[in-house]
Amino acid sequence: AQRVTQPEKLLSVFKGAPVELKCNYSYSGSPELFWYVQYSRQRLQLLLRHISRESIKGFTADLNKGETSFHLKKPFAQEEDSAMYYCALSGSGAGSYQLTFGKGTKLSVIP
Amino acid sequence: DSGVTQTPKHLITATGQRVTLRCSPRSGDLSVYWYQQSLDQGLQFLIQYYNGEERAKGNILERFSAQQFPDLHSELNLSSLELGDSALYFCASSVYGGGANEQFFGPGTRLTVL
Repeated sequence: AQRVTQPEKLLSVFKGAPVELKCNYSYSGSPELFWYVQYSRQRLQLLLRHISRESIKGFTADLNKGETSFHLKKPFAQEEDSAMYYCALSGSGAGSYQLTFGKGTKLSVIP
Repeated sequence: DSGVTQTPKHLITATGQRVTLRCSPRSGDLSVYWYQQSLDQGLQFLIQYYNGEERAKGNILERFSAQQFPDLHSELNLSSLELGDSALYFCASSVYGGGANEQFFGPGTRLTVL
């Protein structure tokens, strides 16, 4: 079974401080990992995925297979980063491409 | 709007009733996914269709069913509704049915069962 754990329901940081949103996963094969973000009154949208290894809006995430983690990081938080963040996992076998989501972390950036 | 659309936005109904939620995928996307978001369970995958055929099933109750039509829009039917079915139901679409394809989400339908 695949599982995603986001240990923090709420994370508050000051503007300009570093941010790290934690995500741990459980999957027996080679997973695809994603971070989705939901800004206030907007729909869920993809922030980044591990296979593209890109930085979006200053956020990065590294897949650590040894620790089964995919933490989201940003060196300097901005007020516009305040949102709900969901870590998600997709399997790599046929019939397993649906997303398994963590319960989400609400990031609040204090001005 | 060429994104994923869902209707209705809100739905209030009574226990025992049946409702239908509708989803139109992005133009060109062949795959549709349904998710349920509740306070206690979070976002949970229900079912996936690809080009009209069921591709994968998640934690979908037997009282729930879905289908994807030839024009690729999808409907999620919820019957014999219970209080616990109150939730936000999201539809997502992607170009293909597999791999690390980005899923694009709709705005959701909020279902309230009284």
